[in-house]
Amino acid sequence: ETGVTQSPTHLIKTRGQQVTLRCSSQSGHNTVSWYQQALGQGPQFIFQYYREEENGRGNFPPRFSGLQFPNYSSELNVNALELDDSALYLCASSLEGDKYGYTFGSGTRLTVV
Amino acid sequence: RKEVEQDPGPFNVPEGATVAFNCTYSNSASQSFFWYRQDCRKEPKLLMSVYSSGNEDGRFTAQLNRASQYISLLIRDSKLSDSATYLCAANTGGFKTIFGAGTRLFVKA
Repeated sequence: ETGVTQSPTHLIKTRGQQVTLRCSSQSGHNTVSWYQQALGQGPQFIFQYYREEENGRGNFPPRFSGLQFPNYSSELNVNALELDDSALYLCASSLEGDKYGYTFGSGTRLTVV
Repeated sequence: RKEVEQDPGPFNVPEGATVAFNCTYSNSASQSFFWYRQDCRKEPKLLMSVYSSGNEDGRFTAQLNRASQYISLLIRDSKLSDSATYLCAANTGGFKTIFGAGTRLFVKA
């Protein structure tokens, strides 16, 4: 059973640029949720994808968007990067929504300069 | 009010101590509750799920009080390796799990 894989692990971008983060879900899981975690804070819910459809969204602006593919892997896209977007981005894989808890990837640490 | 609130930390305890963390949630529709452990600069890992009144796993006991809308995590006989941040999370019914800010635990020799 493979775990959750995220890429890249670290990324430095300039304000105003765009970034794409990738996540491969755990084998057998059909749900991917994305979280943003700033230093010293808990993970903040961005959105969830279930069977290729956005299934719920947190309080993030439209410049945060995503996709889920038929193999249940997922992408998080952020346009017009701002300094405050600097954070750890976590992908969480689960089965049938998130009723049973998540398996997290090791995250992508994004720094916007 | 935040949807999930945890005890502010950090907690500093000696090895062998019993420590309890509390967490409150604001959405009465929340159905599932979780405790995650997060080591420094690592991803959260699921420690325990709480669906009914409580759950026990070795030294760890989680309890749920729906009437008062809080859950707790009790760690008995603390080990040095228990030092981490403990995150409380509540699922509001399928597609949105909200996390608290976390409580940092330091276990000292």
